[in-house]
Amino acid sequence: SQQGEEDPQALSIQEGENATMNCSYKTSINNLQWYRQNSGRGLVHLILIRSNEREKHSGRLRVTLDTSKKSSSLLITASRAADTASYFCATVPFSGGYNKLIFGAGTRLAVHP
Amino acid sequence: NAGVTQTPKFQVLKTGQSMTLQCAQDMNHEYMSWYRQDPGMGLRLIHYSVGAGITDQGEVPNGYNVSRSTTEDFPLRLLSAAPSQTSVYFCASSGEPYNGYTFGSGTRLTVV
Repeated sequence: SQQGEEDPQALSIQEGENATMNCSYKTSINNLQWYRQNSGRGLVHLILIRSNEREKHSGRLRVTLDTSKKSSSLLITASRAADTASYFCATVPFSGGYNKLIFGAGTRLAVHP
Repeated sequence: NAGVTQTPKFQVLKTGQSMTLQCAQDMNHEYMSWYRQDPGMGLRLIHYSVGAGITDQGEVPNGYNVSRSTTEDFPLRLLSAAPSQTSVYFCASSGEPYNGYTFGSGTRLTVV
């Protein structure tokens, strides 16, 4: 069974707008990671946030984590057409061993010029 | 650095055939994993390894075998292909526990 669920499933915005994607998960985690997948390509690691962190930034990306609600959000500011991709959250469970990324179904983001 | 290299990129198999999907990484990473991705779904973990000689099962291991004789290579074997194994397969590696992963570009497998 999948750990994370992303919301929305699809998002369509104009260039320059911000894009927010949400992820909910079920069990306690060590960390949560966000990945991007361009059409027909492999996944690219974007950012990792640990369970004792609440917010993290990387360039135009901002990730928040609320362990009490078991949820995370990914904000992409000032979006560009090149940000068009699918975005996945993945959790590393607190127990059951490391090296186990559990993925959600992803959010498909379309950024229109 | 090549990163994570998967071969082949595309493969068509007949039901009942066997084959090996190759995965190699040149980053000296200890941790390697195999995932499958089906339409509309996220990635599901098939098998993983925490070092040479050590492997374990993920969420969907049935019908697949792995071995890890070297740090660099982590092949995935389909024992007797079934149409339900039609999917895109990704190999990934990580150098540290609880860290991000580097993914290969995938193998698109069709079983007819």
